[in-house]
Amino acid sequence: DTEVTQTPKHLVMGMTNKKSLKCEQHMGHRAMYWYKQKAKKPPELMFVYSYEKLSINESVPSRFSPECPNSSLLNLHLHALQPEDSALYLCASSQTRGKYEQYFGPGTRLTVT
Amino acid sequence: GQNIDQPTEMTATEGAIVQINCTYQTSGFNGLFWYQQHAGEAPTFLSYNVLDGLEEKGRFSSFLSRSKGYSYLLLKELQMKDSASYLCAVRGTNDYKLSFGAGTTVTVRA
Repeated sequence: DTEVTQTPKHLVMGMTNKKSLKCEQHMGHRAMYWYKQKAKKPPELMFVYSYEKLSINESVPSRFSPECPNSSLLNLHLHALQPEDSALYLCASSQTRGKYEQYFGPGTRLTVT
Repeated sequence: GQNIDQPTEMTATEGAIVQINCTYQTSGFNGLFWYQQHAGEAPTFLSYNVLDGLEEKGRFSSFLSRSKGYSYLLLKELQMKDSASYLCAVRGTNDYKLSFGAGTTVTVRA
């Protein structure tokens, strides 16, 4: 099983809403990632969790709050977002040795109105 | 810092060969990845190079020259489904961080 799943596929939210994005993998990977991708741009790293601990935060605004409840799950809590936060949010996972090859989920298409 | 360059767009005919070049200047190097991304979908892994030379995987091959900071992805016997964006990504001194190029959009025409 080389699948990373993400829910929901699409999300529309107002600037005052609170919502969460969810990501799950069952490959036994101990590193999980959140990326943001705008149209026709490469993915931008937001957060990395390694062994359920936050390892990297790429100076992401606090309106994005990551959480890693266990080794298979990764959440991204959203609050008071801005229209410019509209993007494709990608989750990825990797092993923590060797190539560190990242497997990406299908993404959540987020629109902030 | 990391600087990764690849062409913005390439067009080729079905059945032909296309070569996508990637040059990089990075503060450290621990491997180079190529990913394929169809519009609106997730990137999927194509190849990985960490030593100099050519890696072949079916219709796709990838080459690396570390001394020149250069890689290419070769797509042979192009098919319409190969129309996608191709991302070059370098892993530097931090194993978890990939620096992505802007991507090359390949359009395959009949």
